[in-house]
Amino acid sequence: AQSVTQLDSQVPVFEEAPVELRCNYSSSVSVYLFWYVQYPNQGLQLLLKYLSGSTLVKGINGFEAEFNKSQTSFHLRKPSVHISDTAEYFCAGGTSYGKLTFGQGTILTVHP
Amino acid sequence: EAGVAQSPRYKIIEKRQSVAFWCNPISGHATLYWYQQILGQGPKLLIQFQNNGVVDDSQLPKDRFSAERLKGVDSTLKIQPAKLEDSAVYLCASRGQRGSTGELFFGEGSRLTVL
Repeated sequence: AQSVTQLDSQVPVFEEAPVELRCNYSSSVSVYLFWYVQYPNQGLQLLLKYLSGSTLVKGINGFEAEFNKSQTSFHLRKPSVHISDTAEYFCAGGTSYGKLTFGQGTILTVHP
Repeated sequence: EAGVAQSPRYKIIEKRQSVAFWCNPISGHATLYWYQQILGQGPKLLIQFQNNGVVDDSQLPKDRFSAERLKGVDSTLKIQPAKLEDSAVYLCASRGQRGSTGELFFGEGSRLTVL
């Protein structure tokens, strides 16, 4: 079955600290991977996507992710977080016919 | 460019009542999706349309949920009768690019509370 697993449900971190949100995908998921962010009472906004080419993908708001085929991972990183990064983050894998399968979400809380 | 529009934003109903949600995708986007997001979980696909045809409705509870996209533009998702476990945010998304690689653009969602 196609699946995307986010390994942490909640990640607390202090402002200006680095952060990594972990995501693993099943090998049956097509290798089109996405990270979305969801602020309270809003829809999902694309942070970045991996389609092919360079395994290091840069997105908006200073986020980046690295595609690792051997470990079937697509972890999201930011070297220095801000209070405004507090949100829920979803990893998703693209499947046939354009369906996205989402992980369970990781709530990032940035403390002052 | 206008984004994906959804209405209503919030709806409270009692169990066994019916409810309908409306979505207008980004102009020109042929693919439209309805996702259900239960609190604490990731979005789950309910149905995917390509123009006015259904591509995937394998996870749609067809005994109570229905959706249509009659003219290949806007779409309606209906629940009848609602159950307590239908309490969730219903997200509509659209995609302009064919295949698996294009970004999905999401609306702000319709939050349903079933009492």
